[in-house]
Amino acid sequence: TQLLEQSPQFLSIQEGENLTVYCNSSSVFSSLQWYRQEPGEGPVLLVTVVTGGEVKKLKRLTFQFGDARKDSSLHITAAQTGDTGLYLCAGASGNTGKLIFGQGTTLQVKP
Amino acid sequence: KAGVTQTPRYLIKTRGQQVTLSCSPISGHRSVSWYQQTPGQGLQFLFEYFSETQRNKGNFPGRFSGRQFSNSRSEMNVSTLELGDSALYLCASSPGRTDLYEQYFGPGTRLTVT
Repeated sequence: TQLLEQSPQFLSIQEGENLTVYCNSSSVFSSLQWYRQEPGEGPVLLVTVVTGGEVKKLKRLTFQFGDARKDSSLHITAAQTGDTGLYLCAGASGNTGKLIFGQGTTLQVKP
Repeated sequence: KAGVTQTPRYLIKTRGQQVTLSCSPISGHRSVSWYQQTPGQGLQFLFEYFSETQRNKGNFPGRFSGRQFSNSRSEMNVSTLELGDSALYLCASSPGRTDLYEQYFGPGTRLTVT
C-alpha cells in the first residue's frame, strides 16, 4: 500500500516567519502535487513536480521533489496570514492511476 | 472556464436512507474522481470515471457507487447510510493523464447522517 506521510501535522507561526512542510513515502511517484484547502472549500492545486530533484517557485512558495521521487517539501518564506490553510501533498502513480494524499498540514499564520 | 460544480452543497440524511450527489466537471475534462474527506481519515479516494467507465476504485464498501454520463457529468450514490458516512464529499475533474493526474476540485458536498 502506498502511503504519504506529512509533517508536521499542525503548525502555528507568526507572520513573517519561514516554514517547511515535508511529505515522505517509501514509494516512487510519477509526479507529486501540492494543494491548499481553505475551510468549506475544495483543495486548490498549487503545483505539480515531475522530475527528481526538480525545484519550482511560486512567489514565496518553493517546492522540491526528491531525487528519488519519493519525497517532497514545501517551503514558505515570510509567511502571511493569507497562507493559513490545510496543505496537502498527493502522489500520482502512473501504473495505478490513483492519487494518494497525505494527511495534511494545518498551517495557522498569526498577525 | 467554469470550475467544477457540485450539488447540493449541504445535505442532512437519516441512517438507512440513500443519497445521490452530483458533479459537473470542467469543460473538456473526461476524468471525474470522487473523494471522501473526514477529520480522522483525511482525503480518501472513492473511485474514478473516465469516458463513462469506472477506471479505478478505492477501498470502500459496495454501498458507494457512481456513474458518469456521456457529457462527463457524474453522480455518486451512497445507499443504506451509516453515521460514519458523514463527511465532505469532493469531486475532482482532470484531463485524464495518469502520470500527472492533476485534480481540479469542486467545493464539495457536506453530508451529515443523523
